[in-house]
Amino acid sequence: DAKTTQPNSMESNEEEPVHLPCNHSTISGTDYIHWYRQLPSQGPEYVIHGLTSNVNNRMASLAIAEDRKSSTLILHRATLRDAAVYYCILRDFNTDKLIFGTGTRLQVFP
Amino acid sequence: SAVISQKPSRDICQRGTSLTIQCQVDSQVTMMFWYRQQPGQSLTLIATANQGSEATYESGFVIDKFPISRPNLTFSTLTVSNMSPEDSSIYLCSALTGRTAGELFFGEGSRLTVL
Repeated sequence: DAKTTQPNSMESNEEEPVHLPCNHSTISGTDYIHWYRQLPSQGPEYVIHGLTSNVNNRMASLAIAEDRKSSTLILHRATLRDAAVYYCILRDFNTDKLIFGTGTRLQVFP
Repeated sequence: SAVISQKPSRDICQRGTSLTIQCQVDSQVTMMFWYRQQPGQSLTLIATANQGSEATYESGFVIDKFPISRPNLTFSTLTVSNMSPEDSSIYLCSALTGRTAGELFFGEGSRLTVL
């Protein structure tokens, strides 16, 4: 299973943009890049996913490098509710399995 | 979308006993998975619950310890057998609604404490 590397933690101030990086140098051509987040005492929730092109949704944007070996999750204006652990995951197209890495713990300060 | 309900939400168990966790989805799903999350850690995939056939286990997890059933497209169970304190963890059920759908839905988890 392909793996991802993320910083253990990041900090942001409220209403500022946040860029969460992820390296996935061993990504295969059919792996989708997924981002999930886990708020305290909750199950993970889907944030966004993409294959090759940048993606936007109501929660965030996903910027994918041209060689697909890295990606960045962008929260345009962080709120206190965005404080969570963010997981960057490669989804195996053949098995649909999501193997979680260690994630980035995001702290947001007022 | 899919709403996943797990029971029990938490339990305290005695060493050597077994406990079955139930996972109910409010719609038919294609894939169901079971994860374990130990305190302060990330999620570890236990197995893929296959409808009508034996589950597919990840390395380090075996059927005798974690038997899984999936009798239909909306329901699955995970049993933690012959529990020890090392099995104290949160167990999470998750589901995919379709191969092309990107989103994996999760239940709130079942927190087990083994004494």
